Parts: sequence; structure tokens; C-alpha cells
Amino acid sequence: QKEVEQNSGPLSVPEGAIASLNCTYSDRVSQSFFWYRQYSGKSPELIMSIYSNGDKEDGRFTAQLNKASQYVSLLIRDSQPSDSATYLCAVWMAGTASKLTFGTGTRLQVTL
Amino acid sequence: EAQVTQNPRYLITVTGKKLTVTCSQNMNHEYMSWYRQDPGLGLRQIYYSMNVEVTDKGDVPEGYKVSRKEKRNFPLILESPSPNQTSLYFCASRGTAVGEQYFGPGTRLTVT
Repeated sequence: QKEVEQNSGPLSVPEGAIASLNCTYSDRVSQSFFWYRQYSGKSPELIMSIYSNGDKEDGRFTAQLNKASQYVSLLIRDSQPSDSATYLCAVWMAGTASKLTFGTGTRLQVTL
Repeated sequence: EAQVTQNPRYLITVTGKKLTVTCSQNMNHEYMSWYRQDPGLGLRQIYYSMNVEVTDKGDVPEGYKVSRKEKRNFPLILESPSPNQTSLYFCASRGTAVGEQYFGPGTRLTVT
């Protein structure tokens, strides 16, 4: 079983809609969770972090964490074509040093 | 400008010919990592370093070497490259925030 799992997509949503990206993880002691965005041919960049259960909002982005279900999600409201990218879920595992475990990413396509 | 730089950006080489990919950061970060990114496998950590002269293996260290003689530099060395090391490589650094990694632009390596 992969430690961090994401649906590879592509997830296609129309402009202005809400995009919902999901991620599950296997290690119950995981403590910190992150979403990175990676445009085609570019390097990943951090867009959201979440550490406790519930929702965290930043502009059009909302991260949701449910540790009991080992589930983290990213909602993008009012999706724009510029949001088209691959979104990587990353989990910091307790007890490890300097290691983020990444999912394989979900490719999002925002259509006009 | 805060950044992580890598060189070269693109490299085509032949099996067995030693190569070095350089990585440098100007943020005075203690932590640096190397990742490779492959389709369907995502980002996987090769090696990481918590400080000068302190390095450790990540998930896929076979066939790679690293060194950390200076805080800003973290070169990746392939002593005898093989075709299965054809990949996109990213160097990353971070400060005290565990998940906030800054990635370099990537090096696309092809070994024939």
C-alpha cells in the first residue's frame, strides 16, 4: 500500500467551478500535511499547509484534514485556467528526519 | 532573490560516464534534499542533508552519492550512470518549517 495516495486524474472542471482534490495516507502518526502545485515542466511550489483537523482557508484555496479517516483534501473555488496543474499531496511522517512523502499527484484541467 | 539553483538543466550522457549535478541555495537553509520524479511514481527522495557534513539516505539512494562540504551547496554525483537513472531531478532546501521546501528548477537527465 502506498503511503500517500492520490487519483492521478485528469480532473476536469469548468472555469468558475469548485475543484476538489483528494489524498489519503496510511500512517496514523502523520502530523503535517501540505499541498504543492506543479505546472508542467516546472518545479513544485507549496500552496497550502494544514496541521490540525478541520478546514484552513487561504484565498480561493481551502485545505481540509480528517485525521480519523486519514484524509486530506484541497478545494479550489472559482477555478481559473491558470489553476491547471498537477497538485501534489505531501505528508510529514512523525519520527522521520527531513522527509516529506509525496503522492503521485492529481492533474487538474480547468476548461473554458 | 531567494532561490535554489541547479546545473545543468538538461543532460544527455552515456552509461558509465560519471556526472555531477550541482545544487546551490542562498537562503542559509540547513536542510537540503535531492528527489527524482518519474511518471506514476511521483517524487522520491534520494538523499538528504541536515547540515554540513551530515547526510543520510532517502528512499532510493542506490547509484547516487552526495556531499555537503558547504552549507549552500549539495551536489548529486552519479559515479556510473545507468539508463534506469533517466529521470527528472530536483534539489530542494528548507528552513525550520518542515514542509516548506523550496525546489530548484530541475535537471532532466537522460542516460543512453
